[in-house]
Amino acid sequence: GAGVSQTPSNKVTEKGKYVELRCDPISGHTALYWYRQSLGQGPEFLIYFQGTGAADDSGLPNDRFFAVRPEGSVSTLKIQRTERGDSAVYLCASSLTTSGLAFNEQFFGPGTRLTVL
Amino acid sequence: LAKTTQPISMDSYEGQEVNITCSHNNIATNDYITWYQQFPSQGPRFIIQGYKTKVTNEVASLFIPADRKSSTLSLPRVSLSDTAVYYCLVGVPSGGYQKVTFGIGTKLQVIP
Repeated sequence: GAGVSQTPSNKVTEKGKYVELRCDPISGHTALYWYRQSLGQGPEFLIYFQGTGAADDSGLPNDRFFAVRPEGSVSTLKIQRTERGDSAVYLCASSLTTSGLAFNEQFFGPGTRLTVL
Repeated sequence: LAKTTQPISMDSYEGQEVNITCSHNNIATNDYITWYQQFPSQGPRFIIQGYKTKVTNEVASLFIPADRKSSTLSLPRVSLSDTAVYYCLVGVPSGGYQKVTFGIGTKLQVIP
């Protein structure tokens, strides 16, 4: 079946502009995560959705970053007034959700490379 | 979340067994240990997870001593395609939500 897809694969924008990054999770996966990865670093957690709601947004760096998942499937990460420091690869992952102490592997998309000039 | 420490880089020749050790001295009782692999320009991919002793799958083995303060990922007979970054993660897979912290990872370079 299809994996996690992210669009666009590359996005170049100018400082101060607004950008939207899209994530299509694996069908049936109720959990969705956004990460940001800078060069030479591991992925950094941004936000976690369980269904339509953001269950944990503690990783969002500031109020310029916002994410939605209105129908519990596709998610959009929105960045306002972009800064050069926002340049990174933005990764999306999805997983199943089961009750109890059960491991649910996160499946990652290929990422969107954002470059802010 | 328990902090993990692993070597920044390793080199290995093709066909050799590679062991990558991760230290997690502050691991909590309910924490599981998970390893992910990441190729350039791709998202991370799950390799293996364990709680204690030894876990083996078709890709790798994970060795966890009794005190669980460290773990070793073992890759048998590596090939050039195993060149990647390997991340050791510690967290609790409770109810499907596993907030994990990726460190810098170990960059494995397999040499012909």
